[in-house]
Amino acid sequence: AQKVTQAQTEISVVEKEDVTLDCVYETRDTTYYLFWYKQPPSGELVFLIRRNSFDEQNEISGRYSWNFQKSTSSFNFTITASQVVDSAVYFCALLSNDYKLSFGAGTTVTVRA
Amino acid sequence: NAGVTQTPKFQVLKTGQSMTLQCAQDMNHEYMSWYRQDPGMGLRLIHYSVGAGITDQGEVPNGYNVSRSTTEDFPLRLLSAAPSQTSVYFCASSQPGSNQPQHFGDGTRLSIL
Repeated sequence: AQKVTQAQTEISVVEKEDVTLDCVYETRDTTYYLFWYKQPPSGELVFLIRRNSFDEQNEISGRYSWNFQKSTSSFNFTITASQVVDSAVYFCALLSNDYKLSFGAGTTVTVRA
Repeated sequence: NAGVTQTPKFQVLKTGQSMTLQCAQDMNHEYMSWYRQDPGMGLRLIHYSVGAGITDQGEVPNGYNVSRSTTEDFPLRLLSAAPSQTSVYFCASSQPGSNQPQHFGDGTRLSIL
């Protein structure tokens, strides 16, 4: 069975601070995919990034960056120079070979002006 | 593009009533799924389908039925609503292959009194 743990329930920062969201996963599959989704206050789920288990390169997209470390089963997400618009719930998710997507409990990020 | 469309957006039911939540996608995706989102628990998979005529159970299937008679539609049925089924329900679809991100609908907020 798969499991995704997001240990941080809530994070509150002041605008322009950096914030890192932790994600640790468990799976017996050798091939799997990891995702991050954003859920703003409006409620929709927005896809941010996909990473497969064979690609451990870090990725940067604007102010967002992701650090995938297979050795520690972690897929952490950093927002650099946070903005108020980054306030949302962020979910880490793991997709197994049987098409089942397992979500972490989510981390609520609040960015204060 | 409509993407994934869920109806209704809001619904209030009485305990014991039955209801169908509708989900339709216009992207010719083979894979569709239903999740429920509860506070502090992330999204949990209820049922999923890898193609027309094929459905399977997810993590929390009890109390829900699904069918997949067409590629486009994947309705979720509550046979006898219970207060424990009060939640926000999301439908998602994706292309075949584990590396494809799931496209989510905007959600249905369901309250059972």
